[in-house]
Amino acid sequence: DADVTQTPRNRITKTGKRIMLECSQTKGHDRMYWYRQDPGLGLRLIYYSFDVKDINKGEISDGYSVSRQAQAKFSLSLESAIPNQTALYFCATSDSSGTRNSPLHFGNGTRLTVT
Amino acid sequence: AQKITQTQPGMFVQEKEAVTLDCTYDTSDPSYGLFWYKQPSSGEMIFLIYQGSYDQQNATEGRYSLNFQKARKSANLVISASQLGDSAMYFCAISNSGYALNFGKGTSLLVTP
Repeated sequence: DADVTQTPRNRITKTGKRIMLECSQTKGHDRMYWYRQDPGLGLRLIYYSFDVKDINKGEISDGYSVSRQAQAKFSLSLESAIPNQTALYFCATSDSSGTRNSPLHFGNGTRLTVT
Repeated sequence: AQKITQTQPGMFVQEKEAVTLDCTYDTSDPSYGLFWYKQPSSGEMIFLIYQGSYDQQNATEGRYSLNFQKARKSANLVISASQLGDSAMYFCAISNSGYALNFGKGTSLLVTP
């Protein structure tokens, strides 16, 4: 079983619709992240959270919101989807050991298409 | 702000040969971490290797090694004895002050028989 689970794996939605991508983890990590990947652009950080009461904007947060419902759950919402939000979305977690050597552990990604 | 530059959009290497994937970075933080990830065509992100800014030795993990040149701000990934399964996208990343990672745009590696 995956340690970081993203649902759904694939989603097609229409412009203007609200959509939620969900992420849950069994790694016991405090830190969780949402990234999007576009071809040729690498991964860009949308939001991150260090614990349930902590939410931080990343590089490209406009048009997105997040909710940290529990230590193990971190969801990403698109309030009104637009076609340029078509991308591969990754959730990731990391250990809160307090050092910068903690790698991110990624889910398998959600491929979102906005038509 | 931290920034990663990967200048090689695509690389080819013959099976069993070694290959170096370039990564340069820019940061004003004295303490940082450098990471390499592999993304095969199936899409998952696989952590390969880590180098801390204060580490004296270059990191190694099996066939992967990191050629860390701090003064030049480079952290190149060396894959020895390439295998067909090494064909993938490779991303270099740097940890920022918020402990998230800033990624480069990636290098596509194709290993040929």
